[in-house]
Amino acid sequence: GAVVSQHPSWVICKSGTSVKIECRSLDFQATTMFWYRQFPKQSLMLMATSNEGSKATYEQGVEKDKFLINHASLTLSTLTVTSAHPEDSSFYICSARNGRRVEQPQHFGDGTRLSIL
Amino acid sequence: RKEVEQDPGPFNVPEGATVAFNCTYSNSASQSFFWYRQDCRKEPKLLMSVYSSGNEDGRFTAQLNRASQYISLLIRDSKLSDSATYLCAVNPYYGNNRLAFGKGNQVVVIP
Repeated sequence: GAVVSQHPSWVICKSGTSVKIECRSLDFQATTMFWYRQFPKQSLMLMATSNEGSKATYEQGVEKDKFLINHASLTLSTLTVTSAHPEDSSFYICSARNGRRVEQPQHFGDGTRLSIL
Repeated sequence: RKEVEQDPGPFNVPEGATVAFNCTYSNSASQSFFWYRQDCRKEPKLLMSVYSSGNEDGRFTAQLNRASQYISLLIRDSKLSDSATYLCAVNPYYGNNRLAFGKGNQVVVIP
């Protein structure tokens, strides 16, 4: 089945640090990738959608200068949380889809637990 | 009204019993529907897509009720390993590229 790898799994760092998270599709071409954030006992909140070779589309309320997304190839997207603060602590999950049609399912990476001290 | 709503539960189910739960969506023009399973502190994993005619995969049956705007998931002969949170995902409106997720239905299968 479709495999999506996300790295790192855990990050603990000081306030003010920038953190980069990688999302790779291992056995398919990810035309579209999504970045989500999930707080405990809450639903997945979409942060942004990125299509390979294009600028990411951010959801309302998500600061594009704080959450930098790069989708430079069909197998890799990165999310950089710049100058992270404690309120950015959350579970960040990427998903990838082979194609741009919404009826094609998304496959999720393992997620990254980010803790900012 | 939220795009997707689920009763978080928990749904406590005796092992071997059947459990069913629904997910309601707000936009009648939504076209794509999915059920995902999420274990505690893990990523969601695709369980099944939901088709207009309904679909079945082993002990799992998913159905779509467009008139009442909900999808359902039924689990027969529950196993301890079925304990998880089941997330529904819906594309919020026609032509939109993204999915909206519910908070999930938490299922606890009791020995």
